[in-house]
Parts: sequence; C-alpha cells; structure tokens
Amino acid sequence: ILNVEQSPQSLHVQEGDSTNFTCSFPSSNFYALHWYRWETAKSPEALFVMTLNGDEKKKGRISATLNTKEGYSYLYIKGSQPEDSATYLCAFMGYNNNDMRFGAGTRLTVKP
Amino acid sequence: EPEVTQTPSHQVTQMGQEVILRCVPISNHLYFYWYRQILGQKVEFLVSFYNNEISEKSEIFDDQFSVERPDGSNFTLKIRSTKLEDSAMYFCASSASASSYNEQFFGPGTRLTVL
Repeated sequence: ILNVEQSPQSLHVQEGDSTNFTCSFPSSNFYALHWYRWETAKSPEALFVMTLNGDEKKKGRISATLNTKEGYSYLYIKGSQPEDSATYLCAFMGYNNNDMRFGAGTRLTVKP
Repeated sequence: EPEVTQTPSHQVTQMGQEVILRCVPISNHLYFYWYRQILGQKVEFLVSFYNNEISEKSEIFDDQFSVERPDGSNFTLKIRSTKLEDSAMYFCASSASASSYNEQFFGPGTRLTVL
C-alpha cells in the first residue's frame, strides 16, 4: 500500500509570512512527485512535477525541493498572500503504476 | 486557455440507479483519468484510459464502473447501480502523454450524491 502523507493538515499564517509544508512518500519505486494547488470550488492546478533527487523547482514565490532517498518533498511559499489560500496536494507516481496517489493535502489560510 | 470541463456539476440520484458522469478533456490530449474524493478523504485514482481502452484501474474500479469515449470529445464514467458509498466528488483529468513529466489537467468535478 502506497502511503503519501502531508503535514501539517492545516496552517494559518499572516500575510507576508513565509511558510513551508511537507509531503512524505515511499522512497522505493519512486518515479515522480506532483504538487497541486487546489482552491475551493475550482480544479486542482498543477504547480510542479519533480523527478530527480535534489530537484528544486520555482514558480514565482512558490518553490519545492525533492529528496527521493529519504522520501520527502517540501513546498515553500515566500511572503504569503491571501490569494495563496488553498489546499496544496502532493501526488506520488511509482515505477509500477502510472496513476497518482495523493496525500490528504495541507490547507493554507493566509490572513490579511 | 484550454480546460477540462465536466457535467453535471452536481448529480443527485437514488441508490441502485445508474449515473453517467461526463467529461470533455483538452482537445489534443490522449490520456484520460477519473479520480474521486469522498468527503474528508484523500483524492483516489479510479482509472486511466488511452487509445480506447483502460490502461490502469484501481481496486475501487469494480464491475459497477465503466468508462467510455463515445466520440472524439467526451469521456464518460458510468456507475451501473449506485451505492450510498459512491457519494463523492468525481474529477476527470487529461494529459498529453502518460509520462510522469506531464501535468494532468483536472476538471472542476461532479459532486455525486446518492440517496
């Protein structure tokens, strides 16, 4: 059974704070890790696809790192804004399956 | 910007009835997926579809479920005889290829309520 865990479950920060949260996944059989941003009542939106150990990806104020040997990825948001409020999902793909296994998500609320 | 669309946005049905959830993937995409999220639980993979056949399915996708691409644009999920536990948000997604490097683009979901 593939277990993808995200922590914390929810996070409340003030506008301007930087924040980060974690996705942990099985370190064996790793193929790719996807990060999605999911606003309420909208479709999940792809942020990053990460495949190589040591990968770092950046999109504006959001960045992510990947450690496939120990099975974790961090998502960082620098200078959080209210519009960053959303649930951030990670999803794991293994070699033996082409489906994505999702974590439960981290719900981020940024207060003005 | 191209997007995945799903209809209806909300479907209410009686237990035992058949439902068909519809999706229109992005037009040049070749791989299609269904996921579901039961309230309060993780998003779960149901099935992937390529070249008019199922390429992978999860243990959730039993004989009550079927998928079809009846024409060049629609991709449907049929639940033959709904159960209470089928109540969930159902998301369709599509991607240009099955490579892990490719993003999957999600539709807005259909909320299925089984009474």
